[in-house]
Amino acid sequence: ILNVEQSPQSLHVQEGDSTNFTCSFPSSNFYALHWYRWETAKSPEALFVMTLNGDEKKKGRISATLNTKEGYSYLYIKGSQPEDSATYLCAFSEGGKLIFGQGTELSVKP
Amino acid sequence: KAGVTQTPRYLIKTRGQQVTLSCSPISGHRSVSWYQQTPGQGLQFLFEYFSETQRNKGNFPGRFSGRQFSNSRSEMNVSTLELGDSALYLCASSLSPGSNQPQHFGDGTRLSIL
Repeated sequence: ILNVEQSPQSLHVQEGDSTNFTCSFPSSNFYALHWYRWETAKSPEALFVMTLNGDEKKKGRISATLNTKEGYSYLYIKGSQPEDSATYLCAFSEGGKLIFGQGTELSVKP
Repeated sequence: KAGVTQTPRYLIKTRGQQVTLSCSPISGHRSVSWYQQTPGQGLQFLFEYFSETQRNKGNFPGRFSGRQFSNSRSEMNVSTLELGDSALYLCASSLSPGSNQPQHFGDGTRLSIL
């Protein structure tokens, strides 16, 4: 059974703080690693799909890195804003089937 | 461009009944996946359809089934409902199957079993 682990489970930061979370996944048979943002009362929104070892992707203040050899990905948020408050999910793609982690719940206080 | 549409949004059923949930993907998207979200388990993969064929299936009992129509719309069916089937069911679509395709999620159907 594949395990995708995310840490921390939850994070409370002040507006303006930079923060990062970790996603650990199996390092064998790697296809892709997805990141999603899930705000309360909305549907999950795709942030990044990462496929190559050493990949770095950026979208505004959010960026992500990927290390497929050691099986981890980091998501960084620079200068957190209250609107960044959401659950951030990573998902390991196993041939088209997404295996999700439990998520990191981020709360940004103004 | 309309997003992924799931109907109904909310549903209440009793144990032993069956239920059918519907998902209309984004126009042009041909791959549809279904997920179950419960508080303790997080998002769990149910199945994936492409060209009216089930490509992948998660670890769920046979009471959970699905299908896809020629217009890419998909339905999932749960028979003999159990209390543990109470969950948010999410549908996601993508242009094609494949690990590097981002999935676009609907708002979900919240199913409550009494």
